[in-house]
Amino acid sequence: TQLLEQSPQFLSIQEGENLTVYCNSSSVFSSLQWYRQEPGEGPVLLVTVVTGGEVKKLKRLTFQFGDARKDSSLHITAAQPGDTGLYLCAGAPSNNDMRFGAGTRLTVKP
Amino acid sequence: DAGVIQSPRHEVTEMGQEVTLRCKPISGHNSLFWYRQTMMRGLELLIYFNNNVPIDDSGMPEDRFSAKMPNASFSTLKIQPSEPRDSAVYFCASTLEGVNYGYTFGSGTRLTVV
Repeated sequence: TQLLEQSPQFLSIQEGENLTVYCNSSSVFSSLQWYRQEPGEGPVLLVTVVTGGEVKKLKRLTFQFGDARKDSSLHITAAQPGDTGLYLCAGAPSNNDMRFGAGTRLTVKP
Repeated sequence: DAGVIQSPRHEVTEMGQEVTLRCKPISGHNSLFWYRQTMMRGLELLIYFNNNVPIDDSGMPEDRFSAKMPNASFSTLKIQPSEPRDSAVYFCASTLEGVNYGYTFGSGTRLTVV
């Protein structure tokens, strides 16, 4: 059982559509992070959310941290082919060891 | 900054051989992590170091795996003897202490054991 459950596992959409992916846990986190990974490369940090209820925007990406700090969502507006990749959420159950969800593999078709 | 540097990028070896993966973290970062990624299990934390000291190696699969960090700018992950089930992409990541800083990952080493 994963500490962080991500859904959906796979998502294939057309360019211009909106989408939301989710990251859920039964544990409380002091912070959650979202990463994006492209084939042949390591994950790259997109954002860190720290405060319950926090919303952060990064261009067309909107990240939300749940009020209870157990879950998070990533919403992409008007998806583009360049958004294609594996989206990973991550949190540290203890002091400094980040655990990752299994990821959502997004494909945006032109 | 050149980022986290891993070598080799690809490694193909025969079952039973020793494999050594290398990592150079970002200068100034004091925490270093080794992860393994497979389709079945995703990203798994193997071991992490803080100020060159191993803190948690509970993710290391078995005694065939060992990791060292002799100084702040270099770490190795060794598998001896290697087995086909060790085939995966191995990532090294570094950060400044305090998870809110986020991790910087290397490009990974794709290991294939035949």
